[in-house]
Amino acid sequence: NAGVTQTPKFQVLKTGQSMTLQCAQDMNHEYMSWYRQDPGMGLRLIHYSVGAGITDQGEVPNGYNVSRSTTEDFPLRLLSAAPSQTSVYFCASSHKGLAGDREQYFGPGTRLTVT
Amino acid sequence: AQSVTQLDSQVPVFEEAPVELRCNYSSSVSVYLFWYVQYPNQGLQLLLKYLSGSTLVESINGFEAEFNKSQTSFHLRKPSVHISDTAEYFCAVRGPWGYQKVTFGTGTKLQVIP
Repeated sequence: NAGVTQTPKFQVLKTGQSMTLQCAQDMNHEYMSWYRQDPGMGLRLIHYSVGAGITDQGEVPNGYNVSRSTTEDFPLRLLSAAPSQTSVYFCASSHKGLAGDREQYFGPGTRLTVT
Repeated sequence: AQSVTQLDSQVPVFEEAPVELRCNYSSSVSVYLFWYVQYPNQGLQLLLKYLSGSTLVESINGFEAEFNKSQTSFHLRKPSVHISDTAEYFCAVRGPWGYQKVTFGTGTKLQVIP
């Protein structure tokens, strides 16, 4: 299994540009999440999905869109990039099942810089 | 609502010395507790977790954490650290049902000094 994969690894955008961060998992996990990691702030939840076709907002959703058309893929779209969105973005997935099975598996991250 | 506090942003420690990374949480319901480790330029990996049962949980690389309900703490300890333990450690908490909306602490950078 490849686990959770993210592309690209690095990206530089100009203010106002849009782009999509890709996330895919091959573990047939129902739950998928997007986090951003900023120095001194830990990880903050942007959006999450509990299954194909179902998404919801996390604590910092503004400026981001998501969709989940398949179990495997959960792309994150930046609509109009702003310098405040400079961050490291992590995708994570987990099973829906019993509590003990719900370990989150993280991708390697995408480092985004907005100038 | 739930929250996690990691009071120490950085902890320097000499190789082979013991270390404790502190984590306190607050929640109005019972919670599950986790420690994740992030090595430089990598994603997070689960180190250990407390779901129920014994309050002392251990990882395969010598770390342990003890769930203390009365003090709402889940401190991470290792009796003798190695250079390879240099990483950032995140404490996390989530509720027991539904979508696992995980709340992370701000992280503690462990720097092991040779």
